[in-house]
Amino acid sequence: QLQLQESGPGLVKPSETLSLTCTVSGGSISSSGYYWGWIRQPPGKGLEWIGSIYYSGSTFYNPSLKSRVTISVDTSKNLFSLKLSSVTAADTAVYYCARHPILVDTDAFDIWGHGTMVTVSS
Amino acid sequence: SSEVTQDPAVSVALGQTVRITCQGDSLRIYYASWYQQKPGQAPVLVIQGKNNRPSGIPERFSGSRSGNTASLTITGAQAEDEADYYCNSRDSSDNHLVFGGGTKLTVL
Repeated sequence: QLQLQESGPGLVKPSETLSLTCTVSGGSISSSGYYWGWIRQPPGKGLEWIGSIYYSGSTFYNPSLKSRVTISVDTSKNLFSLKLSSVTAADTAVYYCARHPILVDTDAFDIWGHGTMVTVSS
Repeated sequence: SSEVTQDPAVSVALGQTVRITCQGDSLRIYYASWYQQKPGQAPVLVIQGKNNRPSGIPERFSGSRSGNTASLTITGAQAEDEADYYCNSRDSSDNHLVFGGGTKLTVL
């Protein structure tokens, strides 16, 4: 079955760029009808959507993070990536990647990775 | 921008019915989806859209909407349903996604 796995550094210095990858297995990231998204969760807090990408490269982002976020896709490697620039301690969180079906009247993340903890600290 | 809001905490006696709500203007247009999250685990989708349960989700979970309020109902709550529950929707004004702040469900 489809699985998603996040990977990347667990520690990032303030002002630097956080970079994570989500590898998709058991299915193709190029399947039509799905976006692929990033969501984060600071320790003890709720979920925050970061952004989503279609296999063609079309993206949409959370307006509160848009100036610092870049999400890209590599269909040849079946993965998509997140870059968040100029990080601060407020960006410390568990970062999840998830599949995001394209639906008419709702949005849902139906398959999630296990998540990866990223700490911003010097 | 639009938001969706949830009550921080709700409790229910074992075997009873509980409703967890999510309010927001965007819910008049878009259906909410609902997630269950247990400590140390990734969220799990329990209701998608109008009232669609993914495979493997028990029938006691159901979704509904009235006006600007979406509801997740658990009919006959079990001990294993104790978790945090989040709703999400699409903002109606500028095409981005929002999550509610989450509701901690305690099963007594």
